[in-house]
Amino acid sequence: AQSVTQPDIHITVSEGASLELRCNYSYGATPYLFWYVQSPGQGLQLLLKYFSGDTLVQGIKGFEAEFKRSQSSFNLRKPSVHWSDAAEYFCAVGESGGFKTIFGAGTRLFVKA
Amino acid sequence: NAGVTQTPKFRILKIGQSMTLQCAQDMNHNYMYWYRQDPGMGLKLIYYSVGAGITDKGEVPNGYNVSRSTTEDFPLRLELAAPSQTSVYFCASSWRDTEAFFGQGTRLTVV
Repeated sequence: AQSVTQPDIHITVSEGASLELRCNYSYGATPYLFWYVQSPGQGLQLLLKYFSGDTLVQGIKGFEAEFKRSQSSFNLRKPSVHWSDAAEYFCAVGESGGFKTIFGAGTRLFVKA
Repeated sequence: NAGVTQTPKFRILKIGQSMTLQCAQDMNHNYMYWYRQDPGMGLKLIYYSVGAGITDKGEVPNGYNVSRSTTEDFPLRLELAAPSQTSVYFCASSWRDTEAFFGQGTRLTVV
């Protein structure tokens, strides 16, 4: 069965420190992978996506993610976190040629001064 | 460009009441979705539609109904509201094989 696991319910990092949010998926076919961000009281906004090609993808707001097929992972990274990055982050996997997207439970990021 | 618009933003219902959550998109997307978000559970798909007149159940459809008479609108109907339907509801739309665009959400409380 398809599934997405975000092992960390919440993470706290200092402003200016680097960030890595983990995402592991279980999927039988070639996955489409996404990271979304949700600020408090808002809907989800796409940060980046991977469909094919270069396994290191760049997104908005200075985020990047790397697809590692051998590890079934799609971890999100940012070299220097800003206080405005505090939000909840969702990893999601979709199917090639399809439309049903499975979301992880989310990781809430706290940024301390 | 408004994107995906949901109304209302907040609503309190009594047990057994019914209501319709409205969703409209102006991007001419063929796919539309309704999700519910519960703390620590991510988003669960309630219903989806691949075009006007075509809808199908998602992961958690019980207690809900939808219709899609136009490309733009995808209302979600709650019949006989129950406390278990207290949640935040998100409508989204997309082209096939692409990312979804989300509305701002409707926070529903059933008391």
